Amino acid sequence: GAGVSQSPSNKVTEKGKDVELRCDPISGHTALYWYRQSLGQGLEFLIYFQGNSAPDKSGLPSDRFSAERTGGSVSTLTIQRTQQEDSAVYLCASSLGRRSSYEQYFGPGTRLTVT
Amino acid sequence: QKEVEQDPGPLSVPEGAIVSLNCTYSNSAFQYFMWYRQYSRKGPELLMYTYSSGNKEDGRFTAQVDKSSKYISLFIRDSQPSDSATYLCAIRYAGNNRKLIWGLGTSLAVNP
Repeated sequence: GAGVSQSPSNKVTEKGKDVELRCDPISGHTALYWYRQSLGQGLEFLIYFQGNSAPDKSGLPSDRFSAERTGGSVSTLTIQRTQQEDSAVYLCASSLGRRSSYEQYFGPGTRLTVT
Repeated sequence: QKEVEQDPGPLSVPEGAIVSLNCTYSNSAFQYFMWYRQYSRKGPELLMYTYSSGNKEDGRFTAQVDKSSKYISLFIRDSQPSDSATYLCAIRYAGNNRKLIWGLGTSLAVNP
């Protein structure tokens, strides 16, 4: 079946603009995760969804970052008033459920560049 | 001290070599131990996971966990150029906190 897909694959935006990043998880996966990956920084956890609710938002770096998930499927990560330090690869992953969080399936990522 | 420490490398080996990749962790409450592989410009993919001390083999790959030393390893036998990637260790707590804690990743190049 289809894997996790993300769009756009690349996004270049000017400082101060808002951006929306989209994630389509594997069908039937109830758990969804957003990460940020910067050079030399490893995978930084942002937020976790179980169904449409987000029991763990502890990784969101500031109130400029928000995310939602609808229909237990597609998720959108929104960054408002982008800053240069937001430049990174944003990765989405899904797993069958919370108990299966050790087995996460990742999308290819969205490479965000803020100029 | 970070919860998971992993040497970022880079590591460069000739084709056919045995590769050893390692992580250390600080909290004995960790229960699940994973190795993910990430090719350039791709998302990570799960290679292996284990939840007990000892060895687990899958083809050319062996995952080893030593809970007494809080040390995990991934061995790659007969390494191939296609093994060139970044290898990330990830660890998960027991109990209700199912969040993964990630190492920084080790960059591996296998040279033909």
